[in-house]
Amino acid sequence: GQQVMQIPQYQHVQEGEDFTTYCNSSTTLSNIQWYKQRPGGHPVFLIQLVKSGEVKKQKRLTFQFGEAKKNSSLHITATQTTDVGTYFCAGINYQLIWGAGTKLIIKP
Amino acid sequence: DTEVTQTPKHLVMGMTNKKSLKCEQHMGHRAMYWYKQKAKKPPELMFVYSYEKLSINESVPSRFSPECPNSSLLNLHLHALQPEDSALYLCASRQGFGYTFGSGTRLTVV
Repeated sequence: GQQVMQIPQYQHVQEGEDFTTYCNSSTTLSNIQWYKQRPGGHPVFLIQLVKSGEVKKQKRLTFQFGEAKKNSSLHITATQTTDVGTYFCAGINYQLIWGAGTKLIIKP
Repeated sequence: DTEVTQTPKHLVMGMTNKKSLKCEQHMGHRAMYWYKQKAKKPPELMFVYSYEKLSINESVPSRFSPECPNSSLLNLHLHALQPEDSALYLCASRQGFGYTFGSGTRLTVV
């Protein structure tokens, strides 16, 4: 069946370092969404990307959708403790097809 | 009101019990969803309601029974669950593209 692969599974960073997570689909997606889930919380919708090659920014977060609409990335610049959580991509073909998530961990 | 409200937040039930999870939204969203999420995994779709009608059942065992009494409410009736059904149960609604999730019910089956 259709799959969305997301890497890495975990990323440990020092506060102030950058963070990136990548998603890759086996098939072309109509669009892709990104969610953040804080520890003990629920997924919160961040953004949807629709167009081929689209780049959107939300403050320190940059989201990209590949030209072939099969891959996407989320980049966080200068991480802060408030960024801690698991970031999920979810491709859309009728329903959400979730990536496995990338857990952002800030090193003490 | 931009929230999806789920009750209870926590539930412990025995394998012979019957319980119900409740979900409510007042955003006028016409699509509502039940998801199950195990630790360290993404949410897994269980049921979709569209305009109060069940449109998708992802081969969920019959011990889970959804109900949509009206456009604002979604219930999930639980009966004879197994310990492996212990998980976070999330309700979501959608109008347009973004899904709005409730805070979930953390269910433990003993």
